[in-house]
Amino acid sequence: GAVVSQHPSWVICKSGTSVKIECRSLDFQATTMFWYRQFPKQSLMLMATSNEGSKATYEQGVEKDKFLINHASLTLSTLTVTSAHPEDSSFYICSAPLGREPYEQYFGPGTRLTVT
Amino acid sequence: GQNIDQPTEMTATEGAIVQINCTYQTSGFNGLFWYQQHAGEAPTFLSYNVLDGLEEKGRFSSFLSRSKGYSYLLLKELQMKDSASYLCAVEDSNYQLIWGAGTKLIIKP
Repeated sequence: GAVVSQHPSWVICKSGTSVKIECRSLDFQATTMFWYRQFPKQSLMLMATSNEGSKATYEQGVEKDKFLINHASLTLSTLTVTSAHPEDSSFYICSAPLGREPYEQYFGPGTRLTVT
Repeated sequence: GQNIDQPTEMTATEGAIVQINCTYQTSGFNGLFWYQQHAGEAPTFLSYNVLDGLEEKGRFSSFLSRSKGYSYLLLKELQMKDSASYLCAVEDSNYQLIWGAGTKLIIKP
């Protein structure tokens, strides 16, 4: 069964609004979670590393103020796309290492965001 | 810079064997992963190699040569459901995953 969940699975929002995406680890704790985005026919792009209890680490070129990440607990990380624009439309995926096998990342099912 | 290369697309016949190659140049190496991704879905983990050699897991096997910066994913007894994109990713010295663009595998009856 799934070990990482995301909510919502898809969302349509109007330009200028904000959207929050949740990533939850099921039955295990994740001090670190990763957020990716994927454009059609392109590879996954790491956006940021979410750290429980501390600030997220953003990749170069990713706007911190636009993509707000909060890792409030050991099982929940949220990504908020603020003032969304059509170019933010993408597939957003989170992942978390299971821990006992740290090299194995489990991915959430993804959230498809469409900004109109 | 860091680079992962894999073929864009491959076609194979149901029941046959296919090998998907991946070459990499990264800042350090902490392991290489293969993921399967069906259209519109998140990737699913297939294999992990950190030492040279072949790792077999059912119909799928993965090979690694660190000195050559090379890996391949071998799929045997192909089934129609194996039609998907296969992503090669390398964990660099900072434990971050560097992703290839993926190989779209088309299986024909």
